[in-house]
Amino acid sequence: EAGVTQFPSHSVIEKGQTVTLRCDPISGHDNLYWYRRVMGKEIKFLLHFVKESKQDESGMPNNRFLAERTGGTYSTLKVQPAELEDSGVYFCASSQASSGNQFFGPGTRLTVL
Amino acid sequence: AQSVTQLGSHVSVSEGALVLLRCNYSSSVPPYLFWYVQYPNQGLQLLLKYTSAATLVKGINGFEAEFKKSETSFHLTKPSAHMSDAAEYFCGTNSGGSNYKLTFGKGTLLTVNP
Repeated sequence: EAGVTQFPSHSVIEKGQTVTLRCDPISGHDNLYWYRRVMGKEIKFLLHFVKESKQDESGMPNNRFLAERTGGTYSTLKVQPAELEDSGVYFCASSQASSGNQFFGPGTRLTVL
Repeated sequence: AQSVTQLGSHVSVSEGALVLLRCNYSSSVPPYLFWYVQYPNQGLQLLLKYTSAATLVKGINGFEAEFKKSETSFHLTKPSAHMSDAAEYFCGTNSGGSNYKLTFGKGTLLTVNP
């Protein structure tokens, strides 16, 4: 069974540019989560999807971040325009039930110059 | 809000030595606690979790953790370190009463020396 995959693995962009991160959850997992780890700090929750619906986006830093999950399958996280403080590792996770174990992808390392 | 604190951002042990990674939690109610591990270039993998069924929790790869309410601790141990245990380890809990919003410690990087 394939795990959670994320694309790209690394992205380097200039301040002000737009970047889109993609996450493919484990097949059949209705619950999808985004987390972020800024260098030297904790991994922090960003938001939670159940199928295509956003259940909780309380962790989204600001309105420069937009997450979507079209058709309840893969998800994208767009940052527009990117700022220096957006640099970090963005993790995606999925689970069958919201109370179930979360399976994480390898993360996308975003560097904003 | 529930939180965890990992003591030591970097722990170095010799192969065959005891591994002890420390985690303390802050909660007034029995928490949901877990340890995840991230090997290089891989996603976080669940090592073990405490859900109040038993205070000593056994996980994968020979790791275990003991929930100690009197010490508000959930330390991770392994009797004998192996080179393949070199990774970053994260202690965590659920946050804000939800069962899906995970809160993590800052992580402990484990180095195993030959």
